[in-house]
Amino acid sequence: EAGVTQSPTHLIKTRGQQATLRCSPISGHTSVYWYQQALGLGLQFLLWYDEGEERNRGNFPPRFSGRQFPNYSSELNVNALELEDSALYLCASSLAGLAGLYNEQFFGPGTRLTVL
Amino acid sequence: GESVGLHLPTLSVQEGDNSIINCAYSNSASDYFIWYKQESGKGPQFIIDIRSNMDKRQGQRVTVLLNKTVKHLSLQIAATQPGDSAVYFCAENGSNYKLTFGKGTLLTVNP
Repeated sequence: EAGVTQSPTHLIKTRGQQATLRCSPISGHTSVYWYQQALGLGLQFLLWYDEGEERNRGNFPPRFSGRQFPNYSSELNVNALELEDSALYLCASSLAGLAGLYNEQFFGPGTRLTVL
Repeated sequence: GESVGLHLPTLSVQEGDNSIINCAYSNSASDYFIWYKQESGKGPQFIIDIRSNMDKRQGQRVTVLLNKTVKHLSLQIAATQPGDSAVYFCAENGSNYKLTFGKGTLLTVNP
């Protein structure tokens, strides 16, 4: 069974540009989570999608947004990129719904975003 | 506010020794805790979890202990192997159904 996949592996952008990161969950998983892992820091929760709806978001500005598609894959969009947005962006998936809080989150390998 | 922190940022052990990684949390309402392992260049990998109605849970070579009185969580790895070298994160389910992660502890296993 394929795990969580993310694309691209690496992404280099300049300040002010927009970045789009993609995630495909494990088959059968309907919840997708996005995390930011900046150098030297732990994972910071960004967004949680379930059944196409945004269920929760972390303490990030509105220029961080995303969506979940009918096939449960997801996109993370970061507008007006700033230097401090450089980080590893991790996507995780789990079985469904609010009850999925206690379901194991399976992580992808991440997308390394570098903002110059 | 919510926070999850680690007592030791780095831990170096000899192969075959037992390892103990500690974690403190501040949200007394948290009722679910997880340990993740992250190897270089990879995403975090689930190791073991524990709910607040338990104080100990064992897996294969790993044990998680939860002390709700002092809001402390620990991960014990028995007979540590070189393949255990990684960054270990504890996480708690804070409010609003999101996981809050600590900064991580780097475990280095010396042969």
